[in-house]
This record gives sequence, structure tokens and C-alpha cells, in this order.
Amino acid sequence: GAGVSQSPRYKVAKRGQDVALRCDPISGHVSLFWYQQALGQGPEFLTYFQNEAQLDKSGLPSDRFFAERPEGSVSTLKIQRTQQEDSAVYLCASSLEIAGGEGDEQFFGPGTRLTVL
Amino acid sequence: GNSVTQMEGPVTLSEEAFLTINCTYTATGYPSLFWYVQYPGEGLQLLLKATKADDKGSNKGFEATYRKETTSFHLEKGSVQVSDSAVYFCALSGRTGGFKTIFGAGTRLFVKA
Repeated sequence: GAGVSQSPRYKVAKRGQDVALRCDPISGHVSLFWYQQALGQGPEFLTYFQNEAQLDKSGLPSDRFFAERPEGSVSTLKIQRTQQEDSAVYLCASSLEIAGGEGDEQFFGPGTRLTVL
Repeated sequence: GNSVTQMEGPVTLSEEAFLTINCTYTATGYPSLFWYVQYPGEGLQLLLKATKADDKGSNKGFEATYRKETTSFHLEKGSVQVSDSAVYFCALSGRTGGFKTIFGAGTRLFVKA
């Protein structure tokens, strides 16, 4: 496809369940970002990949959050033992260039809305 | 650390009115500045950007000038349309701030016909 895709679009989990959220970036994009967006707020940075290397995971809120991008393309964000405070929209974005430079455009996916009951 | 503050919404305007959405930032060094827009039911998309002081970003009739002296990047449009109704996010990424992009809380704009 031409854009960033995410799946599932909606996920309902019971508290304590593990979830996995998938991101398919634009082909050839070096950079991949994950963000968490609470209702009525802007996206909050979670983690950054440059190809398969996770160069920044400073935004992950706890060790229950884990992300990977093993082949430098598709990425998965996993949340273990979900809690109600994890309810949010999780956004993935990809960019052609390496982050930290002049600021290349990020292309965002539609997001996965996670609701933890 | 780096941060972005933008005016709270919602902002409600009539069609053809002048729009200003204020954005100020705090950053180490010389960040790049962005405005992203989220139309109803769609994902975030880049509206415009500026990478150094005094640069003006522009797109679709929107403009914003990178003002280092006031650490601001206010979004303006001379004549809004109903189709401009959306949520607007100011953001920054820094050459010295690592890999993060920092977003403001967003400003919702409603334009009435």
C-alpha cells in the first residue's frame, strides 16, 4: 500500500491480558516511531527505530511495553499485563530519513485504539 | 527538556475569517518546527514545517514563521474554509534533542458556513 497501515484498528482487552499492535511502514522508510495519544492530547513519543535498531525507548512508560522491528520493516508494539491506564490510541509513523537531522516529514498510520476494561 | 505549548481550543470561526493558532516552544539548540493537521476520521499529516530561524513554512494557504527571538511558530491563514475544520498540532524535533518529536496538545478548529 501507499501509506502506513496499522492493525488492528480497534482492540478491546481485559485487564491483565497481553496485546500486540502491528505497524506496516511505507516501504523503504528508515525511521519508525511509536506514539501514544490519550483523548484530547497530542501524541506522546514512545520509541524510535532506525532500520532494525531501537535507538530510543525512553518514552516507554513501563517495562510492560516492548517494541521490535526485527527486519527493519514491520514493527510490533507489545503491551503485557494491560492496565486501564494503557487505554489510548497508539500511532505509528515512518520517515524516509534518519531522525535527529533537519526533521523529515513523518507519515502517520490511522492508529490502533486500545481499550482496557 | 523540550516542550511545546499551543493555545487551547476549541476555536470557532466563521468562513473567511482570519485564523491564528499560537504555538511557543522550549528547546535546546535549534529545533525544526512543524504543524501537523488531523482531519475528522483521518490520520495526522504534515501541514508545513520550518527548519531554521526566520524560515516561513507555507501550504494550502497556511503560513507559520520560525521566530527564534520569541520561540514561537504561530499558524495563520487569511481566510478559513469549512474544510479547514480539524485538529492542529504544533511539534518540534531537535538536532540536539535526540530522536523524539514533541507535540503540543492540539487545537481543535471549527469553521462555520
